[in-house]
Amino acid sequence: QQPVQSPQAVILREGEDAVINCSSSKALYSVHWYRQKHGEAPVFLMILLKGGEQKGHEKISASFNEKKQQSSLYLTASQLSYSGTYFCGTPPSNTGKLIFGQGTTLQVKP
Amino acid sequence: DAGVTQSPTHLIKTRGQHVTLRCSPISGHKSVSWYQQVLGQGPQFIFQYYEKEERGRGNFPDRFSARQFPNYSSELNVNALLLGDSALYLCASSLLGERGYTFGSGTRLTVV
Repeated sequence: QQPVQSPQAVILREGEDAVINCSSSKALYSVHWYRQKHGEAPVFLMILLKGGEQKGHEKISASFNEKKQQSSLYLTASQLSYSGTYFCGTPPSNTGKLIFGQGTTLQVKP
Repeated sequence: DAGVTQSPTHLIKTRGQHVTLRCSPISGHKSVSWYQQVLGQGPQFIFQYYEKEERGRGNFPDRFSARQFPNYSSELNVNALLLGDSALYLCASSLLGERGYTFGSGTRLTVV
């Protein structure tokens, strides 16, 4: 039931783009995206709702394909501050609980 | 405005002891959720409370319990601590679930 994220890790140079995918075997009602820096709390980036898409943060956007039960997070022109671990979270049956993926670690180098 | 505040920030306990973790949500947020995060993994859902009522419970043993107070703050209690309970415990609050969750900095619990 846990969503699967890919890739597990990405290393980029500043200015490069990255895509992080989140797939589920169950129907998705919404997808949340969070970024967590080492030793810090996860920070909400955006939420994608069924039937719509919400962009919420800097040069980071996301898509939500309900039919394929997957979401993708797009980071363009990456900055050093984008480094961290990205988690997608999905609520089963439109509940308030989130089931998080295992995370994708992104490292942006100068 | 203050974000989600959790206390204590760090805690060391011995196996078999009991622990209480505290969380104050953002002002106006009526929903509080608790998550356990083990190093290298995503947060795992423990409980959600809304308007002082339990709205959801994750796959955790009965040693874990929680409650929400009239001011919407919350406590997570863990009895009979095991080594495997060592983790970062995160509290998250939200106005409405559809607007995303704001996490506190967490309580790092070490059981020895």
